[in-house]
Amino acid sequence: AQSVTQLDSHVSVSEGTPVLLRCNYSSSYSPSLFWYVQHPNKGLQLLLKYTSAATLVKGINGFEAEFKKSETSFHLTKPSAHMSDAAEYFCVVTLGYGGSQGNLIFGKGTKLSVKP
Amino acid sequence: DTAVSQTPKYLVTQMGNDKSIKCEQNLGHDTMYWYKQDSKKFLKIMFSYNNKELIINETVPNRFSPKSPDKAHLNLHINSLELGDSAVYFCASSHNIAGGMGEQYFGPGTRLTVT
Repeated sequence: AQSVTQLDSHVSVSEGTPVLLRCNYSSSYSPSLFWYVQHPNKGLQLLLKYTSAATLVKGINGFEAEFKKSETSFHLTKPSAHMSDAAEYFCVVTLGYGGSQGNLIFGKGTKLSVKP
Repeated sequence: DTAVSQTPKYLVTQMGNDKSIKCEQNLGHDTMYWYKQDSKKFLKIMFSYNNKELIINETVPNRFSPKSPDKAHLNLHINSLELGDSAVYFCASSHNIAGGMGEQYFGPGTRLTVT
């Protein structure tokens, strides 16, 4: 069965310092993996996705994530945090195989706080 | 040009009432979804529709029923509302691509409060 675990429920960084949001997945098949961001009282926006192409994926707003099959990880990083990055981040895995199309499995989310 | 829109944005109602939430997408996608986000921000899929056919139906109460009049719309009807139905409901859509689904685009959410 597919699952995704976000290792930190809350991460706090100072503005200008690096961001690391950790995600581990479990999947019987080659997964598709996504990171979504949700700003307060807003909908979800796709940051980036991995679909078996390049293992290092670049997304919007300077974020990137690296797919590491040996570690079953898909951690999200950004070199320098900005105040506007403060939000809830969700790591997501899809079944996306055969008849189980489109079933996104969400992690429980990591709240990123950015201090001035 | 809103890609995925939902109405209403806020819905406050009393227990026992029946309500509907509407969703429309103008992306030409062929699959639409409904998700529930609880007070702890946990998101779980409820339903999806592909070409007017239900393909995912998670273990949600049968008081919840999706209705899709066409590919661009997927409405959510809820009968006999309960306090535990209070949550934010998100609609999403995606394009069916070979080997699986494309990324999903989400609406802004509908905050349902049952009193």
